[in-house]
This record gives sequence, C-alpha cells and structure tokens, in this order.
Amino acid sequence: AQSVAQPEDQVNVAEGNPLTVKCTYSVSGNPYLFWYVQYPNRGLQFLLKYITGDNLVKGSYGFEAEFNKSQTSFHLKKPSALVSDSALYFCAVRDETDSWGKLQFGAGTQVVVTP
Amino acid sequence: NAGVTQTPKFQVLKTGQSMTLQCAQDMNHNSMYWYRQDPGMGLRLIYYSASEGTTDKGEVPNGYNVSRLNKREFSLRLESAAPSQTSVYFCASSAGTGEHQPQHFGDGTRLSIL
Repeated sequence: AQSVAQPEDQVNVAEGNPLTVKCTYSVSGNPYLFWYVQYPNRGLQFLLKYITGDNLVKGSYGFEAEFNKSQTSFHLKKPSALVSDSALYFCAVRDETDSWGKLQFGAGTQVVVTP
Repeated sequence: NAGVTQTPKFQVLKTGQSMTLQCAQDMNHNSMYWYRQDPGMGLRLIYYSASEGTTDKGEVPNGYNVSRLNKREFSLRLESAAPSQTSVYFCASSAGTGEHQPQHFGDGTRLSIL
C-alpha cells in the first residue's frame, strides 16, 4: 500500500527566506510524486510532478522539488518566499504498479509567510 | 476557462435528507474523481470514473453513490445524510489515469449535516 507523510502541520517563514515543505512516501514500486497547493476556499492546484529523470523538478510560481530515492523523500522548496505563498500544501504519490492511477495525499502542511 | 465546476458551493442538510452534488468539466477529460477533505486527513477518494460509462469505489465509498452522466458530468449522491458526512467535497478530473496526468480540481462544496 502507498502512503505519504508530511511531518509538519505548519511551517512559518519570513518573506525573502528559503521555504522548505517536507514529504516522505512509501510505495511498492517506483513512485510518481506530485505537489499541490490550496488557497482558502479554493480547490487544489497542481504545482509540479516527478515521474522519472532529473531528481530536481521545477514547477509553477518558482517552486521546485527534489526527489531522493534513498531517503524516499520529495521535499518542496522555494529559494525566496513571498507572502502570497501562504497556503496549504499537499504532497501526493502514486505507485507505478497501480493500474488506474489512485493518488494518495498527505495530510497537508500549512505555510505561513510573514512580511 | 471554467475548468471543473461544482454546484452547490455550500449546503446544509438535516440528518436523513438526500442530495446530489454536481460536477462538470469542460476540458474533455476522460477521468473524474470525488474526494472529501477533512481537517488533518488530507483528501480521501470516495469514487472515481476512469472513463465514461465506468465507476469504481475509492477509499471511503460507504454512504455515497455516483453517476457518470456523460463525459463532462460526474455526480455524487448522499442517499441518507449523516453528521459524519460533514466535509468539503472536491471533484477533480484528469486527461486519463496515466502517471503523467495531473488532476484538476473544482473549488469544492462545503456540506454540513445537522
């Protein structure tokens, strides 16, 4: 069975500082990994994905994520956070052995960026 | 672009009442999904439809039914609402169930069962 852990309920960072949101996963086969962001009263928006290839994946709004197979992690990063990055972030994983594409979501990490 | 549209946005029901949540997508996507979001639990899959004419149970299907009316529309029905079904419900769609296809979400239906 696949699972995702986001160990931090909330991450606080000052504007201009680096932002990291942690995610670890467990799957039977190779993972397909995704990050989504949710703003208040809105649905989830796709940020980036890792399928295969380069371990550093670049996505929307200046975000990137690094896939680390040995540590089974897929941390989301942004070099310089903005107040507008304050939102709820979800990591999701799909096991390559899952034929129909079920996504397992983490519980979410609330990011608060202060001016 | 409308993307995924959900109606209604808010609803309050009494225990035992029934209702249908509507979802429509205009991206010509094959696959559609219903999730519920509860605090601290992320999103849990209720039902999904890999393609028009097919539906399958997800992680938490009990108390729900779905209908894939056509390629665009995927509805979720609560036959006899219970307080445990108080949640935010999200519909999503994707081009297919392949690994490269991100899901696109509607803005949710906030449902309270009294």
